[in-house]
Amino acid sequence: ILNVEQSPQSLHVQEGDSTNFTCSFPSSNFYALHWYRWETAKSPEALFVMTLNGDEKKKGRISATLNTKEGYSYLYIKGSQPEDSATYLCAYDGSSGGSYIPTFGRGTSLIVHP
Amino acid sequence: ETGVTQSPTHLIKTRGQQVTLRCSSQSGHNTVSWYQQALGQGPQFIFQYYREEENGRGNFPPRFSGLQFPNYSSELNVNALELDDSALYLCASSLALSGGTEAFFGQGTRLTVV
Repeated sequence: ILNVEQSPQSLHVQEGDSTNFTCSFPSSNFYALHWYRWETAKSPEALFVMTLNGDEKKKGRISATLNTKEGYSYLYIKGSQPEDSATYLCAYDGSSGGSYIPTFGRGTSLIVHP
Repeated sequence: ETGVTQSPTHLIKTRGQQVTLRCSSQSGHNTVSWYQQALGQGPQFIFQYYREEENGRGNFPPRFSGLQFPNYSSELNVNALELDDSALYLCASSLALSGGTEAFFGQGTRLTVV
């Protein structure tokens, strides 16, 4: 059983604060790491797909880094806004006999207070 | 909007019954994956279909089966429903089989087994 751990489980911040979350995953058989944002009553939305050690990706105020050797990824949100309130999921794609089995963490629930 | 739609949105079934959940992928997406999300957990990978063939399966019993059709729609069938099958079921489509490909999720079907 592969363990993908996300921390913290939940986070309350004030509007304007910057914040970050962690996703840890197995460093073996690594193929890709995904970050998703999941707002209530909507479908999960892909934020980033990262495959290379040292990858850094950025989309507006959100960025992510990847360390495949030690098995972790950070997601950063700069200047949080209330509309950033959502659950942030990471998913590790491990290669297994030619197919890719995704394993999700439980998510970090972010609430941004105005 | 991801362009991936699932039906029905909610469903109540009795233990022992059978259920079929449906997913309509984005046009051109030849890969679809199904996930089960129980309360308080991250999505758990059930299986993936590529060009109408199963390609990769998570730790789910054979009473969970699927079909993928040439028109980019797919089904998840669950036989002999158990109370623990109560969960949100998500499908996700992607352009290719590669694990590093962006996935587009539907909003899910909430199944309650009583």
